[in-house]
Amino acid sequence: GNSVTQMEGPVTLSEEAFLTINCTYTATGYPSLFWYVQYPGEGLQLLLKATKADDKGSNKGFEATYRKETTSFHLEKGSVQVSDSAVYFCALRNQGGKLIFGQGTELSVKP
Amino acid sequence: NAGVTQTPKFRILKIGQSMTLQCTQDMNHNYMYWYRQDPGMGLKLIYYSVGAGITDKGEVPNGYNVSRSTTEDFPLRLELAAPSQTSVYFCASSYGETKERTEAFFGQGTRLTVV
Repeated sequence: GNSVTQMEGPVTLSEEAFLTINCTYTATGYPSLFWYVQYPGEGLQLLLKATKADDKGSNKGFEATYRKETTSFHLEKGSVQVSDSAVYFCALRNQGGKLIFGQGTELSVKP
Repeated sequence: NAGVTQTPKFRILKIGQSMTLQCTQDMNHNYMYWYRQDPGMGLKLIYYSVGAGITDKGEVPNGYNVSRSTTEDFPLRLELAAPSQTSVYFCASSYGETKERTEAFFGQGTRLTVV
């Protein structure tokens, strides 16, 4: 079946630190991969996506590369800001349209 | 453009009561989804639909029912509310025809408490 596993949080960083949030997946076929972000009291919004192997998704300084050989889609940012504090979700969408999420990783950035 | 609209925003139910969570989208999306989010947990897929008249089970469908009679609406029905159904429920929708148009748009959520 399809599943997504993320590193557990919470993750606490100082401003300007480097961020990595690990995500691995299990899927048949060729899924699309996503990172979504959720700010307090809100729904999820798309951060970035990649639709095929070796694609790199990027947005707002965040990046993730679709690695089929390691079934991974790790999220990275070179220098985090206090405003990046949120919960981050890795997700996959299979070819039948089923969209499933990992358990989320809470990020807290301190000034 | 309203996007995905969920009603109500908050609801308290007694054990055994039933209710329908409403979800409507005005983006002409074929795909729609219902999730629940428990405290400190990720989103679990309850049901999804790839078009009007077509629904399928997700990861945690027990205790819920859905229907999709129109492209716009995807209501979620709880028949016999149980405390284990206390959660925040999110509805989402997306296009699906090509991989480039698969971004899901989420509603603001419905916070349900069963007492």
